[in-house]
Amino acid sequence: DIVMTQSPSSLAVSAGETVTINCKSSQSLLYSGNQKNYLAWYQQKPGQSPKLLIYWASTRQSGVPDRFIGSGSGTDFTLTISSVQAEDLAIYYCQQYYDTPFTFGSGTKLEIK
Amino acid sequence: EVQLVESGGGLVQPGSSLKLSCVASGFTFSNYGMNWIRQAPKKGLEWIALIYYDSSNKYYADSVKGRFTISRDNSKNTLYLEMNSLRSEDTAMYYCAKRYFDFWGPGTMVTVSS
Repeated sequence: DIVMTQSPSSLAVSAGETVTINCKSSQSLLYSGNQKNYLAWYQQKPGQSPKLLIYWASTRQSGVPDRFIGSGSGTDFTLTISSVQAEDLAIYYCQQYYDTPFTFGSGTKLEIK
Repeated sequence: EVQLVESGGGLVQPGSSLKLSCVASGFTFSNYGMNWIRQAPKKGLEWIALIYYDSSNKYYADSVKGRFTISRDNSKNTLYLEMNSLRSEDTAMYYCAKRYFDFWGPGTMVTVSS
């Protein structure tokens, strides 16, 4: 199974700051056939189901604000949230969909000071 | 508008069975694979099953293999998860999601307890 290691587990920032969340996979998520990384990021707000933010490691889902930026390739990936807003309070998960079992990172809880 | 609505959850005893449903609307259900994902209370996300659009392939997490069965009825736009030999560790919110996880339902809660 592909293990997804996410860090940090939590962080607290003030509104307007920039946040970086890291995700490392135990094997490459880059498929040579199409040069795409099978890595997604999700946002789960309290009491809600997860929402897809980013797929193919760096493509924003429709309607997602451009302050959410996904980057990385191979085994190392980053979600950057620039100018964090109060509404960004949530747990963020990375996930690989390169191979079953599809696996998630353990989550990063973002708190707003 | 895409909608996924799960149902069938509840409180059951260890060793019992339960069948969850997920009704889809707003897209051509028969063209898409579907997933089940669960989340234990205060825990992270665990993918548990995938079924192809035509039921030709099914994949399971080791934690549920042999006990859970994913199926679908394209004529009813409905996805199912049949759960047998339930254990306390199966207690979780169960979500259905489209093939590439772009849409999720609100979930249905399953509690396994005596």
